[in-house]
Amino acid sequence: EPEVTQTPSHQVTQMGQEVILRCVPISNHLYFYWYRQILGQKVEFLVSFYNNEISEKSEIFDDQFSVERPDGSNFTLKIRSTKLEDSAMYFCASRGLAGRGDTQYFGPGTRLTVL
Amino acid sequence: RKEVEQDPGPFNVPEGATVAFNCTYSNSASQSFFWYRQDCRKEPKLLMSVYSSGNEDGRFTAQLNRASQYISLLIRDSKLSDSATYLCVVNTNAGKSTFGDGTTLTVKP
Repeated sequence: EPEVTQTPSHQVTQMGQEVILRCVPISNHLYFYWYRQILGQKVEFLVSFYNNEISEKSEIFDDQFSVERPDGSNFTLKIRSTKLEDSAMYFCASRGLAGRGDTQYFGPGTRLTVL
Repeated sequence: RKEVEQDPGPFNVPEGATVAFNCTYSNSASQSFFWYRQDCRKEPKLLMSVYSSGNEDGRFTAQLNRASQYISLLIRDSKLSDSATYLCVVNTNAGKSTFGDGTTLTVKP
């Protein structure tokens, strides 16, 4: 069964450094998402992406964040200058147009630790 | 008021019990509704979509009441493996997904 993959599984970085989290969505999917979950808290929507542009973003997704689909398979989340409070699990998700409609399939997540 | 509000839980039930989770949402423009389950430190996995006509998948039944902006999940004959956090998720047409805080279920032998 096709699945969403994410790399790395765990990223440790120093405050102020840039990080890029990578996701490979399911191959025929067209909508892509990033979420984050701070330990012990709820899953929070960051951004949705369709047709090579952001379709919706939350208040969390400020100028420090950006997304890209550089090559038709990868979908990346960049945090320009990490802060301690960016430490969280980051989940990528994707969905297709047909079949199960709005169902989003989640990747296993990248745990980001900012020191 | 939270956009998606769930029973705070936790729910601790014996095996074989029936348990019901409730969820309300505030955005009347919401278009689609889901229950996901999340195991500790894992990604959310789709449990079922929720339709106005109600839908059932084995021991799980989901209901949606658009007028009341209310969603429910019923689990019958609970198993140890049902222990998880259950997430109510509401999508707008613009592609934004809002998660509830989750309700934790522990099924005990």
